[in-house]
Amino acid sequence: NAGVTQTPKFQVLKTGQSMTLQCAQDMNHNSMYWYRQDPGMGLRLIYYSASEGTTDKGEVPNGYNVSRLNKREFSLRLESAAPSQTSVYFCASDRRRTDTQYFGPGTRLTVL
Amino acid sequence: GENVEQHPSTLSVQEGDSAVIKCTYSDSASNYFPWYKQELGKGPQLIIDIRSNVGEKKDQRIAVTLNKTAKHFSLHITETQPEDSAVYFCAASRGSARQLTFGSGTQLTVLP
Repeated sequence: NAGVTQTPKFQVLKTGQSMTLQCAQDMNHNSMYWYRQDPGMGLRLIYYSASEGTTDKGEVPNGYNVSRLNKREFSLRLESAAPSQTSVYFCASDRRRTDTQYFGPGTRLTVL
Repeated sequence: GENVEQHPSTLSVQEGDSAVIKCTYSDSASNYFPWYKQELGKGPQLIIDIRSNVGEKKDQRIAVTLNKTAKHFSLHITETQPEDSAVYFCAASRGSARQLTFGSGTQLTVLP
């Protein structure tokens, strides 16, 4: 039981490049989330998926797209990366609303 | 939307002393308040949570108190140990909502 896994762990992009961050969970959770963490600002929700087939915007969705590929996988795509998207990205999942959210180890992204 | 403020941003204590971290929230409809611990290079991990129908909850050396009237909640760690050194985040959510709003974090350092 690996919990929540994320790939890659580190990534460096140039402005304008695109990439997809991958997230998978093996806990049979219904809901999945993408957060970004910036110094002194805690974690901010980008997008979430309450269940397979649904996605909703969080607090900071601009510049991102998501896909809930199946119950296990939830990906985050940056179509045209900007330096303001330099951050640490965390994926999380939970069984239902207000249950414990389990976080992955994070992806550290730098956009030059 | 919800706003969560967390204080202090940094806290240093001697090993064996107690540590207290405080958070306030703005949305009176919030009813779930988790605390997360984040060690360097890792994702946040839930350490304790409390729901609005409870005023206090303890788990060994960790306790959380909630004052719904004043809209604030606190984390108390007793008999601190060096392994308690980490960043701690508070968060809040409403039962009808699908997202946590996080505080900005507290860097706790336990000095040997």
